[in-house]
Amino acid sequence: GENVEQHPSTLSVQEGDSAVIKCTYSDSASNYFPWYKQELGKGPQLIIDIRSNVGEKKDQRIAVTLNKTAKHFSLHITETQPEDSAVYFCAASTGGFKTIFGAGTRLFVKA
Amino acid sequence: EAGVAQSPRYKIIEKRQSVAFWCNPISGHATLYWYQQILGQGPKLLIQFQNNGVVDDSQLPKDRFSAERLKGVDSTLKIQPAKLEDSAVYLCASSSQVKGLMEQFFGPGTRLTVL
Repeated sequence: GENVEQHPSTLSVQEGDSAVIKCTYSDSASNYFPWYKQELGKGPQLIIDIRSNVGEKKDQRIAVTLNKTAKHFSLHITETQPEDSAVYFCAASTGGFKTIFGAGTRLFVKA
Repeated sequence: EAGVAQSPRYKIIEKRQSVAFWCNPISGHATLYWYQQILGQGPKLLIQFQNNGVVDDSQLPKDRFSAERLKGVDSTLKIQPAKLEDSAVYLCASSSQVKGLMEQFFGPGTRLTVL
């Protein structure tokens, strides 16, 4: 079946460094790629998303890139802060349907 | 605006018992989702409603799970009978789908433990 692979599963960085999380998807019909942040005991919260007609999107310290040919998309967080510590999920969907999530990346930002 | 509400927050039952979860989406959101999130994994879509109609329930174990969304607003997810492997957090989400908006807003989830 369709799936989304996410790497790494755990990422530890020093405060101020950059963090990169990568995902690959299998369904060529996917056209919407959101990234969610989940803190302990809470539901996931959207932090940034990108559609298939865009190659890159940036929002302050967060950026996402998409390579449709390779079916890769990545999340980049610059100038990391301790409050960025959480679990991050990528996802792929087709027009808001058939949403498939990656397994998650646990990010630790050391002060 | 108020977020997605879910209850209960926690539930502990024994295997073969029944359990029901309730979700109240953000007002005006036509699309409602139920996800199962097993510890250490990403959310897995169980069922998606558009208003009160089901648009995707391909991953819902229909022999034991059921869901309904009456009047296109609140929704309930039921498990009967529960198995040990049903222990997970059950997340409800909603989205407006208006003008191509696809952001899903998640509730806090219900943590189910099956003993």
